[in-house]
Amino acid sequence: DAMVIQNPRYQVTQFGKPVTLSCSQTLNHNVMYWYQQKSSQAPKLLFHYYDKDFNNEADTPDNFQSRRPNTSFCFLDIRSPGLGDAAMYLCATSRVGGHNIQYFGAGTRLSVL
Amino acid sequence: GQQVMQIPQYQHVQEGEDFTTYCNSSTTLSNIQWYKQRPGGHPVFLIQLVKSGEVKKQKRLTFQFGEAKKNSSLHITATQTTDVGTYFCAGQPDSNYQLIWGAGTKLIIKP
Repeated sequence: DAMVIQNPRYQVTQFGKPVTLSCSQTLNHNVMYWYQQKSSQAPKLLFHYYDKDFNNEADTPDNFQSRRPNTSFCFLDIRSPGLGDAAMYLCATSRVGGHNIQYFGAGTRLSVL
Repeated sequence: GQQVMQIPQYQHVQEGEDFTTYCNSSTTLSNIQWYKQRPGGHPVFLIQLVKSGEVKKQKRLTFQFGEAKKNSSLHITATQTTDVGTYFCAGQPDSNYQLIWGAGTKLIIKP
């Protein structure tokens, strides 16, 4: 059974049209991460939530926002997608205070037309 | 800033040959984790090393953590087509719960 679920698997949006990606988890982990991964590159951390505390990476553009309304769900909002934002977006969870292993969802592949 | 360097970026092998990837951290690590990402897939956790000098095996895969807890390696013996993918190391510094990811090594099996 999938433990970290991302929806949709594929998302096509238009240049400048806001888009929201979702992630849910059944692991009850306290941390949820959003990564951006482009072809043949390592995942790049955008931000993460430790419980309700939002932690932004210094080089994450303001165009990217996130919400975590409860423990199970986390959203990635891209306010005005540009062509350079086309990528795979990966959600991951971990339990800090335990082994801190990250469990990834299958990802959402975003295309920007 | 804290970094984890991983080499090589790519390794082409014939099926049946061995494969090794190396990671080196700029700072002492609390633990190091290894993940595998198949083509078109997402990273999947393989193993976590915690102790200085630790060696762990999973069938044909051997993982090592250096004595200084700053470097690590993954060795695959007699590669198979199912081993194809990108292998990432991710280190957790002593001072932080966040992982620092290596750039990954892509294992390619020559036809």
